[in-house]
Amino acid sequence: IAGITQAPTSQILAAGRRMTLRCTQDMRHNAMYWYRQDLGLGLRLIHYSNTAGTTGKGEVPDGYSVSRANTDDFPLTLASAVPSQTSVYFCASSEGREAGELFFGEGSRLTVL
Amino acid sequence: GQNIDQPTEMTATEGAIVQINCTYQTSGFNGLFWYQQHAGEAPTFLSYNVLDGLEEKGRFSSFLSRSKGYSYLLLKELQMKDSASYLCAVRDSNYQLIWGAGTKLIIKP
Repeated sequence: IAGITQAPTSQILAAGRRMTLRCTQDMRHNAMYWYRQDLGLGLRLIHYSNTAGTTGKGEVPDGYSVSRANTDDFPLTLASAVPSQTSVYFCASSEGREAGELFFGEGSRLTVL
Repeated sequence: GQNIDQPTEMTATEGAIVQINCTYQTSGFNGLFWYQQHAGEAPTFLSYNVLDGLEEKGRFSSFLSRSKGYSYLLLKELQMKDSASYLCAVRDSNYQLIWGAGTKLIIKP
């Protein structure tokens, strides 16, 4: 029983480097999301996808991009990492954007130096 | 703007009952969620309320009053494993989830 798998679990990278966080789900959920979680703040939505082939911007999209080539995969790319992108990143999915609870991956802890 | 308020931290005793409150101001309402998050782990779903009233699920219950913009999560017969953060989230009129910062619950023996 996998659910949602994220990789890497943890990463340290230098500012200016490009980084892709991977997310794969095996529940055939239509909607997928990327959140960042910072101390003292609620989960903040970066990007989302209602269904394969479509993506949308969330609350804090700047500096991030996503793609949804198929139902299962939803990678998040930082084109040129900056220290303010140091955070814990969670990928999540739900049956649909309008219904159902979110299921979360285990998270990716990213440190940008 | 949209806002979810919940206490930052609460302390309770093993075996006791604790109520975690959540108030919200959002653009529309399409349901309220409670999640549990242990330190260093992913949030996991606890409950969902879309109509006023109490939803009971074992030791956990969640209450909603839409007219007051208010919900609470009630945890009974507290166990040490209930030490975690509890996140309140509201689905707004655009079906976007608005998250509170979470309430860290500390259980003491």
